[in-house]
Amino acid sequence: KNEVEQSPQNLTAQEGEFITINCSYSVGISALHWLQQHPGGGIVSLFMLSSGKKKHGRLIATINIQEKHSSLHITASHPRDSAVYICAVGSGGGADGLTFGKGTHLIIQP
Amino acid sequence: DGGITQSPKYLFRKEGQNVTLSCEQNLNHDAMYWYRQDPGQGLRLIYYSQIVNDFQKGDIAEGYSVSREKKESFPLTVTSAQKNPTAFYLCASSRQGSRADTQYFGPGTRLTVL
Repeated sequence: KNEVEQSPQNLTAQEGEFITINCSYSVGISALHWLQQHPGGGIVSLFMLSSGKKKHGRLIATINIQEKHSSLHITASHPRDSAVYICAVGSGGGADGLTFGKGTHLIIQP
Repeated sequence: DGGITQSPKYLFRKEGQNVTLSCEQNLNHDAMYWYRQDPGQGLRLIYYSQIVNDFQKGDIAEGYSVSREKKESFPLTVTSAQKNPTAFYLCASSRQGSRADTQYFGPGTRLTVL
């Protein structure tokens, strides 16, 4: 079974700072997902990656398949980016859900 | 608007009672999932369904049951056999059930057993 590790567990930064959240996994995957969980509990899917890099607004996600590692970057961070960011991976082509990391709790202070 | 609804948002039950959590989607997705989230832990898969009238156990299915009689609906019953039922429960769906599919999550139900 895949093990998913995220770092850091908690991150507090000032508005405008460049943020990096890391995710490492132990077994080869077919896809890696980055999710955002708001304080109320709702979860939104940010990215699905199988290779390379994706960008959406101020968010950038990268993946290195050989190193089994992905990063989520936030440029020009803003207090509304405060949330828990979750990395999840899927292996193989089946449908039995994903393996989730424990999440990174990000707080952006004004 | 397309999406996933879960109800209720907060649910309180006495120990020993069965309780059913609702999950409905109007995205026309084939696959649906139930996850449990506990403080300090990643989401864990309880049950999933790839198609109507079929479902499979996830990693922590003991003490739970599901049904998938309609494509839109995937209710989860937390039975009295579940030893630690207090948790945040999230329902999700995806178009075809591939691990590469984007999963769309509902707002969640926070269950507290007294």
